[in-house]
Amino acid sequence: AQKITQTQPGMFVQEKEAVTLDCTYDTSDQSYGLFWYKQPSSGEMIFLIYQGSYDEQNATEGRYSLNFQKARKSANLVISASQLGDSAMYFCAMREWNNNDMRFGAGTRLTVKP
Amino acid sequence: ETGVTQTPRHLVMGMTNKKSLKCEQHLGHNAMYWYKQSAKKPLELMFVYSLEERVENNSVPSRFSPECPNSSHLFLHLHTLQPEDSALYLCASSQDRLLIDNEQFFGPGTRLTVL
Repeated sequence: AQKITQTQPGMFVQEKEAVTLDCTYDTSDQSYGLFWYKQPSSGEMIFLIYQGSYDEQNATEGRYSLNFQKARKSANLVISASQLGDSAMYFCAMREWNNNDMRFGAGTRLTVKP
Repeated sequence: ETGVTQTPRHLVMGMTNKKSLKCEQHLGHNAMYWYKQSAKKPLELMFVYSLEERVENNSVPSRFSPECPNSSHLFLHLHTLQPEDSALYLCASSQDRLLIDNEQFFGPGTRLTVL
């Protein structure tokens, strides 16, 4: 069964606007971690932000924030003030206490329009 | 060099060739990983090494053979591959395999084409 679901294959956003990339996950573990990575066309996966299942506050890193809704099992990435350099693939991933492997979603391709 | 490096960046090989992919991490991490990224599929974990010991092999065909001579280096030896093995192969490392909050640091990948 798919553990991480990203329902948006592609998204467009105007430069300087905010965009939300969706991620839902499936786990029976109480302890788990959620990650977002960015993959530009160069191929390298770049770590953006982390949210632990026990963290009470939503994680933020600069222009990136994570809208964590535990009861709904969603961990959406919010990018504020989009820049042209934000155009890339974005992957949501999860690690569970009972399974240390990082599992990735299918990704969302974000295109920032000038 | 910093972070995680991979060589070569691009590789074209025939089905009867033998080649190796190399990964090196300069972060002092204890765990290293090989992933396969095919078009239209999520990243697939292939192999995991922790403290130079292989801890996981996710049913990868034997034509892929990993080697981890020390905690900084990881190889993926390839032989008699199939065209469907064409993909981006990503190497990653993390401080500790067991800590949930440890992010993985990725290399730039090797784009492999099997003819």
